Amino acid sequence: DQQVKQNSPSLSVQEGRISILNCDYTNSMFDYFLWYKKYPAEGPTFLISISSIKDKNEDGRFTVFLNKSAKHLSLHIVPSQPGDSAVYFCAAGEDSNYQLIWGAGTKLIIKP
Amino acid sequence: DGGITQSPKYLFRKEGQNVTLSCEQNLNHDAMYWYRQDPGQGLRLIYYSQIVNDFQKGDIAEGYSVSREKKESFPLTVTSAQKNPTAFYLCASSIGGLVQETQYFGPGTRLLVL
Repeated sequence: DQQVKQNSPSLSVQEGRISILNCDYTNSMFDYFLWYKKYPAEGPTFLISISSIKDKNEDGRFTVFLNKSAKHLSLHIVPSQPGDSAVYFCAAGEDSNYQLIWGAGTKLIIKP
Repeated sequence: DGGITQSPKYLFRKEGQNVTLSCEQNLNHDAMYWYRQDPGQGLRLIYYSQIVNDFQKGDIAEGYSVSREKKESFPLTVTSAQKNPTAFYLCASSIGGLVQETQYFGPGTRLLVL
């Protein structure tokens, strides 16, 4: 039973346009959400996070939106750059807990 | 240069053999984790350690064992009891072990069965 789902295995976006990556979750107890980025042959690296008390968090070109009623979050990348081509993982956990639950990842391809 | 190192990059296991994956960190982090990644799936937690000489099982601990004798080191042994060990294994660490904390990952070890 997947508690965190990323339903798009891959996404192709033109350079300069907006990339939108989606993530759905089922556990209403989750109150912290993170996005990690992974290049081939490397471990994931932290990108951006959001607490359930917020509905938006922004860091440069990256913005995460959280819709608690829909149990849905999304990562927006504007504008998309070739270096953004990577696999993006969504992860969620309960506050003051240690275990993150991870989605399967979405492979983002930025076309020149 | 602080970070996490994993070795080897590729590891081959024969039937019935135990193999050990190395994970070392020099970030002075208390918490360390082992994850397994299979194609089309998210990272799944194998074991977690918040302090030296203490560790907890994750969701898929069967067939695996760990030790945490030093703060910097968290080796994972894949035993012969693990019937489907072929996967990509990632080690991570964080400051104290809370979900809000950034986890820092090593480059991973790919384990293949001969």
